[in-house]
Amino acid sequence: DAKTTQPTSMDCAEGRAANLPCNHSTISGNEYVYWYRQIHSQGPQYIIHGLKNNETNEMASLIITEDRKSSTLILPHATLRDTAVYYCIVRVAWGETSGSRLTFGEGTQLTVNP
Amino acid sequence: DGGITQSPKYLFRKEGQNVTLSCEQNLNHDAMYWYRQDPGQGLRLIYYSQIVNDFQKGDIAEGYSVSREKKESFPLTVTSAQKNPTAFYLCASQWGKGNQPQHFGDGTRLSIL
Repeated sequence: DAKTTQPTSMDCAEGRAANLPCNHSTISGNEYVYWYRQIHSQGPQYIIHGLKNNETNEMASLIITEDRKSSTLILPHATLRDTAVYYCIVRVAWGETSGSRLTFGEGTQLTVNP
Repeated sequence: DGGITQSPKYLFRKEGQNVTLSCEQNLNHDAMYWYRQDPGQGLRLIYYSQIVNDFQKGDIAEGYSVSREKKESFPLTVTSAQKNPTAFYLCASQWGKGNQPQHFGDGTRLSIL
């Protein structure tokens, strides 16, 4: 699976949009981009994923560049409860390789300030 | 509610003792996974199972064992052979093949007495 690079930490004001970048310049054509977040001492929470089109759900939006070498997770109106470590993961769909592990890097610590 | 239940939330192990961590899901997911997380680090895969009665080693399987006798259950045993078991253990499951995301339980924190 392709390696991802994220900033170590970011700050955001409550009520503003949080834009979390991720570089995945070695991504392959059959690899998806997944975003998870983890609040301290809890299990990772799935947020959103996509292949090449932009995606939106009730939690966030995912913007993937046309060359697919980077993406941005957007939390449109950040709240204090969005403070967490956010992980960007690139993975092939299960069935295309044996196993389908998620490789978590160090992620971005997002702190939402009042 | 549908979800993944891990128990216990906290577990203490004595030297030379085997302990078993429970993971149950009622999501009708085919695949289940065990990960280990050490402080300040990402997750590392211990074992995974894509169907009942079958499982595969992950990156750090030594000192651990699993079983998958039922679709809903994937218990992890931390054996006495695992010399550094103190960690946060996470169970995940995934529905079907393709690009479906994995969903996680709330974890079990294992410590050595």
